[in-house]
Amino acid sequence: ETGVTQSPTHLIKTRGQQVTLRCSSQSGHNTVSWYQQALGQGPQFIFQYYREEENGRGNFPPRFSGLQFPNYSSELNVNALELDDSALYLCASSLTPVFIAGGSTGELFFGEGSRLTVL
Amino acid sequence: SQQGEEDPQALSIQEGENATMNCSYKTSINNLQWYRQNSGRGLVHLILIRSNEREKHSGRLRVTLDTSKKSSSLLITASRAADTASYFCATDARNFGNEKLTFGTGTRLTIIP
Repeated sequence: ETGVTQSPTHLIKTRGQQVTLRCSSQSGHNTVSWYQQALGQGPQFIFQYYREEENGRGNFPPRFSGLQFPNYSSELNVNALELDDSALYLCASSLTPVFIAGGSTGELFFGEGSRLTVL
Repeated sequence: SQQGEEDPQALSIQEGENATMNCSYKTSINNLQWYRQNSGRGLVHLILIRSNEREKHSGRLRVTLDTSKKSSSLLITASRAADTASYFCATDARNFGNEKLTFGTGTRLTIIP
């Protein structure tokens, strides 16, 4: 039990539609990272939010966007869904110290994921 | 793209035996972490080893890190059926600072009772 919750757990959409996935961070954490995991693959980094600002982005198109709220919860939005967007979307929270010495990333606490199927 | 690659891709052993999986990565790192994932669920952190450490233990887990070879290994001793899962290494690349962990392709471990 990591204290990170994601919703919905499963959803089915059709090509061209839009989807919003939600994540509640573990209490006290200020950083949220989103990952996409295709079947049989490792998680791929989408982006990270720290104190409501995007703080790093992976190789994903602009139709993948996000938000982080003052309570550090987060949303992932995907527009114009494509078949290849079918995947498990994982949210992970962590605590980034105000002063980061050497830029080291610590442990991530993952939610159970939202499984998206695009038809 | 995947920074790390685990080897083997799949491993089946008898309960009670030791399981060893390896991870190779490409760039200089701040630290390397191992995570476990039960089928289709979230990842659970197992252990973190920093770039200036060579070996770390946690319960039945032993992790080694060789930065000169850009490789790490995870040893699970006295395996149990409940250890059946996928195991991923994740690296925090020095160039990227605090931005992200990059995960490998994973090793699927099956423990046969």
